Amino acid sequence: QQPVQSPQAVILREGEDAVINCSSSKALYSVHWYRQKHGEAPIFLMILLKGGEQKGHDKISASFNEKKQQSSLYLTASQLSYSGTYFCGTESTGNQFYFGTGTSLTVIP
Amino acid sequence: DTGVSQDPRHKITKRGQNVTFRCDPISEHNRLYWYRQTLGQGPEFLTYFQNEAQLEKSRLLSDRFSAERPKGSFSTLEIQRTEQGDSAMYLCASSPPARVKAFFGQGTRLTVV
Repeated sequence: QQPVQSPQAVILREGEDAVINCSSSKALYSVHWYRQKHGEAPIFLMILLKGGEQKGHDKISASFNEKKQQSSLYLTASQLSYSGTYFCGTESTGNQFYFGTGTSLTVIP
Repeated sequence: DTGVSQDPRHKITKRGQNVTFRCDPISEHNRLYWYRQTLGQGPEFLTYFQNEAQLEKSRLLSDRFSAERPKGSFSTLEIQRTEQGDSAMYLCASSPPARVKAFFGQGTRLTVV
């Protein structure tokens, strides 16, 4: 039931773009994206609801394809502060909420 | 709104001892979740409350684990006869009735020695 994320890890130079994918085997009601820095609690980035939508703020955006049960997080012109582990969280029927396997993102100068 | 509060932040216990963690959600958040996170892994779902009702419990939650939310406000997670494999960060999150984002506490780091 845990969503699978890809890639597992990525290293970027400042200013480069990245895409993180999240795939679930279950029909999804919503997808959440979180970023977690080492030793800290996950911080909410955005939520995408059923109906297939795209959202974004600043240089981070995401899309949700409910038919494919997939979501992607897009980071453009990455900044050093983007470093961390990114998790998707998926909500399916029954209000269960599962986190993905995580993607470690490191932005270097 | 002071955010989700978890207590204690750190707990070191000897194997075989019982431990109890507390989570105070954001007021008026009727949903409360417990997760366990080990280093390098995503948070694993343990259990979920809607108000005082425990609606879902993961198979990860063995009989040694029990969670309560007696008045629909704060929640406790108890681990009996702790094992070294229980060492992890235990995260609590709450969310309001609508399907919106979950707010996380800073977690309780448990070390079983």
